[in-house]
Amino acid sequence: QSVLTQPPSISAVPGQKVGISCSGSSRNIGNNYVSWYQQLPGTAPKLLIYDNDKRPSGIPDRFSGSKSGTSATLGITGLQTGDEADYYCGTWDSSLSAAIFGGGTRVTVL
Amino acid sequence: EEQLVESGGGLVQPGGSLRLSCAASGFTFSGYWMSWVRQAPGQGLEWLANIKEDGSEKDYVDSVKGRFTISRDNAKNSVFLQMNSLRADDTAVYYCARIPAFAFDVWGQGTVVAVSS
Repeated sequence: QSVLTQPPSISAVPGQKVGISCSGSSRNIGNNYVSWYQQLPGTAPKLLIYDNDKRPSGIPDRFSGSKSGTSATLGITGLQTGDEADYYCGTWDSSLSAAIFGGGTRVTVL
Repeated sequence: EEQLVESGGGLVQPGGSLRLSCAASGFTFSGYWMSWVRQAPGQGLEWLANIKEDGSEKDYVDSVKGRFTISRDNAKNSVFLQMNSLRADDTAVYYCARIPAFAFDVWGQGTVVAVSS
């Protein structure tokens, strides 16, 4: 069971907007930066968001990140079939002295 | 192009050892912390270990402390993971990743480790 809690799955139709939540505590999200990763089927994870809300070069602005207190959210607008993937949040846990990930959210585009 | 390529995975018996390698190219390897992350079949991501730019600091997740050792050779632009006393629950795809700050921004393609008799 992950220290960071994400919904196991989300589904939506093309063009819709979705939000993926990541809930933690003051030991992790509350006092550390959050990052988000996209893992397409059969591939390695890819960084989507770092430092809570920054996008690496090449990541479209359809992807956004936000953080409030001990929770973070990944937003995806204009959902596309190519966005079907597993999405993971990540941060550092000060009590565990370890990098941690959420359990992952599978996004299905109907 | 910034790239990481893992190697060294394979089938090993319980209690055995394996050494994974990760070769970096396209960036100044000695300027970055590096990490190993694994993913068991059908499961999520699990961070295993970090190593500082010069190798002077290392962190491990509790589940591998005392069994796994991370190291690096900046002259060869490579990071390694020595895995001893392997168990069935160590079966996973093992990724190396670069950590510029608080995120894993470059990932390798992964190498598969299967622990079975």
